[in-house]
Formats: sequence, C-alpha cells, structure tokens
Amino acid sequence: GQNIDQPTEMTATEGAIVQINCTYQTSGFNGLFWYQQHAGEAPTFLSYNVLDGLEEKGRFSSFLSRSKGYSYLLLKELQMKDSASYLCAVRDWATGGGNKLTFGTGTQLKVEL
Amino acid sequence: DAMVIQNPRYQVTQFGKPVTLSCSQTLNHNVMYWYQQKSSQAPKLLFHYYDKDFNNEADTPDNFQSRRPNTSFCFLDIRSPGLGDAAMYLCATSRETGGNNEQFFGPGTRLTVL
Repeated sequence: GQNIDQPTEMTATEGAIVQINCTYQTSGFNGLFWYQQHAGEAPTFLSYNVLDGLEEKGRFSSFLSRSKGYSYLLLKELQMKDSASYLCAVRDWATGGGNKLTFGTGTQLKVEL
Repeated sequence: DAMVIQNPRYQVTQFGKPVTLSCSQTLNHNVMYWYQQKSSQAPKLLFHYYDKDFNNEADTPDNFQSRRPNTSFCFLDIRSPGLGDAAMYLCATSRETGGNNEQFFGPGTRLTVL
C-alpha cells in the first residue's frame, strides 16, 4: 500500500506564501490530487498532477516529482479563508485496480493576521 | 446547485441499531464512493460502485453494506453500529475512474453512536 506523509500543521500570515509538502511511496504511481477540507465540511478538489512539473491555478499551484515521490501545494497571497486542512491523495496502479485514492492525514493550515 | 447530496447531515443511532445513510447525485457520474473519516484522520475508502459493479475494500468490515439501486442513489447500511463506527461518512462521485477524473464529495453525514 501507499505511505503518504504530510506535516500535521502549519501556521502562516495573511498575504504570505506557504508551501505544504507531501511525500509518498507507491508501487505504480497513477496520479496525485490535492484537496482542501474546512472543518466539518467535505473535501473540495484543488489540483491534479500526473506528470512532473508545476500546475498553476490562480493562487494555488501544485508541483510533482515522480522520481522523488514528492509533491507540494503552494498557496500565494494567503487569505483568512484559506485556513483549512489540505489533503494529499495518491492513486496507485497496484491498489483497487488503479482507481483507488489513498489520502494522507492532511496538513492543518492556520492563517493569522 | 447541489451536486452530491447526503441525508441526513447528522445521524444519531443506538449501539447495535441498524442505520442507513443516503447519497444522491445530479452529475450522472458512473462511479460512487463511500468513505469513513474519523477525527483528524484521512478519509478511508470503504467501497465504490462503477455503475452497478460493486467493489469492496479488503479491510471493510462485514458490518458495512452498500446498495446502488440506480445511477443517482447510493446507500450505506451499517447493520450493527458499534461505538467505533462513530465518524463522518463521505459520499463522492466521479465521471470515470483513473486519469484526471476528480472526485466530487458530498457534505458528509456525521454519525453518533450512543
């Protein structure tokens, strides 16, 4: 199975930039997703990476290095509403027929004034 | 417009009393998933349907069952809830499996077992 590691929590200042890292081990990498989850709410999709490199989407960017088993989510111009848990999820050909998403435990981001 | 709907949002049941959670979708997606998420933990996949094809995770207890009577609806049945089954239950859908098909989550049902 997968082993997905993320920092448990991070704190950053409004207007700043924060990078949330995720490392993983898979038998057959088949894509990586980032989700945002506010307390008591459902996860919402942020980004998808399957090839190496940076995917940019507004204030959020996600980077992938398959050789290093590493991804990061970059949040720019932080806003108070960005305070949430950020979940890294990996799909692996070796599990669930290549369709199953395995989630990390999430990084709780707190944005302060 | 709501796309993945879960009812109820909060469910209280008694130890051992069967309970059913429901999920419906307006996206006409082929795949529907049920996840269990306990406090400060990752969502854990219980099972998923591709159309009518049921796929159970190896470590999902027999206490958990699912039904998908049509494309739009999927149910999670907990036959004899234990205290350890108290959690948030998330329903999700995707158009297809694999590729960049993202999963759309419902708001979840928080289950309390007394």
